[in-house]
Amino acid sequence: KAGVTQTPRYLIKTRGQQVTLSCSPISGHRSVSWYQQTPGQGLQFLFEYFSETQRNKGNFPGRFSGRQFSNSRSEMNVSTLELGDSALYLCASSSQGQTTYGYTFGSGTRLTVV
Amino acid sequence: AQSVSQHNHHVILSEAASLELGCNYSYGGTVNLFWYVQYPGQHLQLLLKYFSGDPLVKGIKGFEAEFIKSKFSFNLRKPSVQWSDTAEYFCAAGGPNTDKLIFGTGTRLQVFP
Repeated sequence: KAGVTQTPRYLIKTRGQQVTLSCSPISGHRSVSWYQQTPGQGLQFLFEYFSETQRNKGNFPGRFSGRQFSNSRSEMNVSTLELGDSALYLCASSSQGQTTYGYTFGSGTRLTVV
Repeated sequence: AQSVSQHNHHVILSEAASLELGCNYSYGGTVNLFWYVQYPGQHLQLLLKYFSGDPLVKGIKGFEAEFIKSKFSFNLRKPSVQWSDTAEYFCAAGGPNTDKLIFGTGTRLQVFP
């Protein structure tokens, strides 16, 4: 079966702009989680959606938001971009959204803010 | 506070050397533990996981990890590394009924032929 698909793979944006990233989970998976990966901080949890509802949120400012559609595809939006938002953004899908069931990660979207 | 610590940031080994990567966690309650690997240019892949039972868990590619509850540790081991093991390794923790994984900052492993 197809894996987790993230688009686009690379993005370059200017400070102050906004950006939308997309994630298509594995077919049948209803949970989508988002993580930010940076060299200094590692992977940090952004939020998780299950059946179109945000169930959990990490410690990120309100500029980071997301949503999930009825087909389980998810988007993440970052407004008013800052240089520090440059990172690899990873999406992970799961059938139930609990760590016991495991997660499959996508290849990520690398965002560079200049 | 929930946290995962990986004290080895960068490890350099020769092929056939033994590997042990440290992972310590702080997590209230029942915890599930994971090791993920990220090969250059590839997505995160699950190496192994511990939920309960035998504290010594075996994963893919000859990796194993031991859960030591008294030390809050979940160290990753491999008796003999190969050049193809060059990658970044992440330890992670999560509760069985939650959706959030807490990751360590990762250990970069370089294996030279």
